Amino acid sequence: AQSVTQLDSQVPVFEEAPVELRCNYSSSVSVYLFWYVQYPNQGLQLLLKYLSGSTLVKGINGFEAEFNKSQTSFHLRKPSVHISDTAEYFCAVSASGNTGKLIFGQGTTLQVKP
Amino acid sequence: GAGVSQSPSNKVTEKGKDVELRCDPISGHTALYWYRQSLGQGLEFLIYFQGNSAPDKSGLPSDRFSAERTGGSVSTLTIQRTQQEDSAVYLCASSPDRTYEQYFGPGTRLTVT
Repeated sequence: AQSVTQLDSQVPVFEEAPVELRCNYSSSVSVYLFWYVQYPNQGLQLLLKYLSGSTLVKGINGFEAEFNKSQTSFHLRKPSVHISDTAEYFCAVSASGNTGKLIFGQGTTLQVKP
Repeated sequence: GAGVSQSPSNKVTEKGKDVELRCDPISGHTALYWYRQSLGQGLEFLIYFQGNSAPDKSGLPSDRFSAERTGGSVSTLTIQRTQQEDSAVYLCASSPDRTYEQYFGPGTRLTVT
């Protein structure tokens, strides 16, 4: 079975500052890793995904994440945030070769302050 | 193109009543998923459909929950004898086969009073 831990429930940050949202996972099999963003009263939107290959993954809106197999982490980063990045962010895993069903972390609320 | 759509967007029902939630996936997507998002449990997988294969029902919380997918397209999630703990946002997602990229609908907010 897989599990995901997002280490911070809320991350406040000032506009134009860098941010890192932390995600650790646990799995006995190879996994695929994802970050989703959810704006208020909306569904989930995929930011980026890691399936294989380069461990540094670039996504939409200037976000990137690095897969670290030894530390079982997939932290999300952005060098300079905007007010519009205020949202809830979810890290998720799915077992490779499986149905693709996602196991989500509890979410991190990113609060960007002016 | 059109994304995943869900209806209704909001549903208020009395405890003990049955409800049906509908999902229209993106045309051509063979995989369809249902998830539930609640304050206490976060985002949970409920059920998965892939083509004509038997669905993966491993996430359904009780036998009051069922789902079907007709003609490989539209899906309906049915909750019988609703309970207050069923109050949540129910999200549907669809995916092209084997890309592992899921596209989510806006969700149905279910409130059981």
